[in-house]
This record gives sequence, C-alpha cells and structure tokens, in this order.
Amino acid sequence: DIQMTQSPSSLSASVGDRVTITCRASQSISSYLNWYQQKPGKAPNLLIYAASTLQSGVPSRFSGSGSGTDFTLTINCLQPEDFATYYCQQSYNTPLTFGGGTKVEIK
Amino acid sequence: QVQLQESGPGLVKPSETLSLTCNVSGGSISSYYWSWIRQSPGKGLEWIGYIYNTGTTNYNPSLQSRVTISVDTPKNQFFLILSSVTAADTAMYFCARRDYRSYYYYMDVWGKGTTVTVSS
Repeated sequence: DIQMTQSPSSLSASVGDRVTITCRASQSISSYLNWYQQKPGKAPNLLIYAASTLQSGVPSRFSGSGSGTDFTLTINCLQPEDFATYYCQQSYNTPLTFGGGTKVEIK
Repeated sequence: QVQLQESGPGLVKPSETLSLTCNVSGGSISSYYWSWIRQSPGKGLEWIGYIYNTGTTNYNPSLQSRVTISVDTPKNQFFLILSSVTAADTAMYFCARRDYRSYYYYMDVWGKGTTVTVSS
C-alpha cells in the first residue's frame, strides 16, 4: 500500500493568513493526488484533483502543487469557512489511501 | 445534481454482518464506479472498495476476506456487506461516486454518511 503522510497534523491560523499543508507519498504517484476538505459531522468535499486542478465551484484561493512524492495544498487569504480538516488521497493505485489529515483551527 | 444517501442499521452485534445501502438519486448509476469509505477516530479515512455498474469490484486487501459490494442498477442502488464485525468496524460509513478526467480519478459526490456501532 502507498502511505500518505501529511504535515502538520494541526495548525492555528487567522482569517486572512496564507496556509500551506504538505502531503508526502511513500512512492512516486505522479500527479495522482486529490485534496478534500471535511467539516465536523460532514462528508469530505473534493477541492483539487490531479494534484493541481481545482474542482468546479471551489474558490480560487485554494491551490495545489507537486508531483512524484511531494505535494502542497495552499489556501490564500484564509476565510472563516475554511476552518476544517484537510486530507490528501492518492489515486495512483488501489487500495486508495488517505493522509492522516490536517486540522486548520482558528488562532 | 446527483445525490447519495446511505441507510442501514446503526447498531450491529459483534460477529454479525453489517449491511448498508447507498441510494443514488438525480442521475444514473451507470457508467461510474461507486465506492464505500469509512472513517473511525483511530484509523482516519479508509477506502473499503468500489464497484462498477457491471458488477466489477475492487476491494481493500485489508478487508477483502469480509467485504462484498454489489449493485442493483435498475434500482440505482449499491450495497456494502461486511461480515464478522468487531468493535474495530465501528465507524462512519460513506458512499461516494468516482469520476475522472484524463485518467485522473477522484471521488466527487459523497453521501452524508451513516454511523455504525458494533456492540452487544
């Protein structure tokens, strides 16, 4: 199985901040990397697929980059509705695997 | 707008079988892969497996000996069966649609999830 490691596991930030979350795969996954946002009690919501392609309807302050084993999710100008947990997920092969999550909290 | 809704018992006894249904509305179940994913505090998000509307399946090896996913295309439903459950199977269970663009696959539509507790 491909292991996905996210860092940090949590962070505190203020509205308007720029936030960066990293995800590392245990082997190269090319650009087969997705990012999801999850709020408490809700299902994950797709933000980015193919490492850097913004899903329809997702605000442009979200962006993704990387390929191979190292990936980044950036949130520019953090908004109140962005406080949530973010997960990366590889779609390179099965079993599909997720990172452990990064909780973005209000400072 | 495609919507998914999970249903099934919220409480299952240890060693018994967990059965869940995912109802697909607002679109056809055909031409897509459909996944089950679960989330427990101890293990985060775990992909269980997926099925195509023709019945082709792919399971997580960690659960393969206990899991069956099936589909009823005319009813626009697919199903999860997990046998011999233990407390470790206590989780929120989600169903989701797998879509793709240029061979990049992702899960773009999710149900709200259903909580399953394994306890006597």
